[in-house]
Amino acid sequence: GESVGLHLPTLSVQEGDNSIINCAYSNSASDYFIWYKQESGKGPQFIIDIRSNMDKRQGQRVTVLLNKTVKHLSLQIAATQPGDSAVYFCAEKRGFKTIFGAGTRLFVKA
Amino acid sequence: DADVTQTPRNRITKTGKRIMLECSQTKGHDRMYWYRQDPGLGLRLIYYSFDVKDINKGEISDGYSVSRQAQAKFSLSLESAIPNQTALYFCATSPGTGFDTEAFFGQGTRLTVV
Repeated sequence: GESVGLHLPTLSVQEGDNSIINCAYSNSASDYFIWYKQESGKGPQFIIDIRSNMDKRQGQRVTVLLNKTVKHLSLQIAATQPGDSAVYFCAEKRGFKTIFGAGTRLFVKA
Repeated sequence: DADVTQTPRNRITKTGKRIMLECSQTKGHDRMYWYRQDPGLGLRLIYYSFDVKDINKGEISDGYSVSRQAQAKFSLSLESAIPNQTALYFCATSPGTGFDTEAFFGQGTRLTVV
């Protein structure tokens, strides 16, 4: 498959455990924050977004937390599965522009 | 069939050659984008188009050009390829409604310039 990042921060978790992927952002003016998942050999896929005036949003097995005080965003994945192994990108939406972070590689150990 | 299709999936070309990467979509979206991905870096925007008559430069447009032939088609050209344009290229679309946070990406084109 494609290698999307040879020197990315990595997170290794045991199957069934919860995963927490963190992201720091820089611009307080961002309207939305978004998480994307990129599996090997594929393009990024939207997971969940959160508006800047919210601090938590839940999806299916995922929760995004936004802490505007410290400009920190996290993605929590419950009961991590082998299919969750991928690179996860946080992104900021400012007007019509989306600015992507460098990504975190998640390894799920069976 | 994929909603956003990129061709070719892989390409090796020589320095100085002109090359075109093509993107077509069946999602009916007005907005289309070309991004570049390098190891250890996030996606960087090359060009974007909000409709057929609209073309805008992104953050790294030097050395690239685009053509929006139809709502469904958006191609990226490298007029004279150079080795530091070796990267993974993604086309994406978005509906342009609301805050437009969800983009839909193609499978990517791996370009190697030798």
